[in-house]
Amino acid sequence: AQTVTQSQPEMSVQEAETVTLSCTYDTSESDYYLFWYKQPPSRQMILVIRQEAYKQQNATENRFSVNFQKAAKSFSLKISDSQLGDAAMYFCAYRSQTSYDKVIFGPGTSLSVIP
Amino acid sequence: GAGVSQSPRYKVAKRGQDVALRCDPISGHVSLFWYQQALGQGPEFLTYFQNEAQLDKSGLPSDRFFAERPEGSVSTLKIQRTQQEDSAVYLCASSSRDHNQPQHFGDGTRLSIL
Repeated sequence: AQTVTQSQPEMSVQEAETVTLSCTYDTSESDYYLFWYKQPPSRQMILVIRQEAYKQQNATENRFSVNFQKAAKSFSLKISDSQLGDAAMYFCAYRSQTSYDKVIFGPGTSLSVIP
Repeated sequence: GAGVSQSPRYKVAKRGQDVALRCDPISGHVSLFWYQQALGQGPEFLTYFQNEAQLDKSGLPSDRFFAERPEGSVSTLKIQRTQQEDSAVYLCASSSRDHNQPQHFGDGTRLSIL
């Protein structure tokens, strides 16, 4: 079974600075998707960025980028120029490409942004 | 609607009562998922529907949990004889047939069992 681990329960960053959130996962599959979701207090799960495992190029979405290391099964999220609105819970997640697309979530990292 | 809609947003029930949580997926989405999110944790899969067929219910924690999607659109998650450990946020997500498209999540229902 696939598992997702986030070893940082809490992180903080100064406004305008850069922060990196860590994620590792375990799978025996070769094709899959990886995601970072943001969950503010409103509870809505917002997709931040996603990566297809077959793509070697790291995904980038504006201030958000990932460092995908397939052999190491590592998928970290870098947030540049941090803003107050970035404060939230961040979940790393895995989805298989086989059968249907159940998402497996990590335990989350709570990010605080200091003005 | 534009997104996944869940109701009620908050539900408080006494231990032993039955509750029903509703999910309206994005129109046309064939896949529908229920997740349970305990306080301070990541969501955990409960069950999956493709249209009206419940293809996977392996995540349901007990036979007190029951989900249905009779017409392949709206889904209801029912919990019978609620217990305190059922207190959590219940998230619904839907996705299209295109496997490349991600799931869209609702705002969830926060269930509190007293």
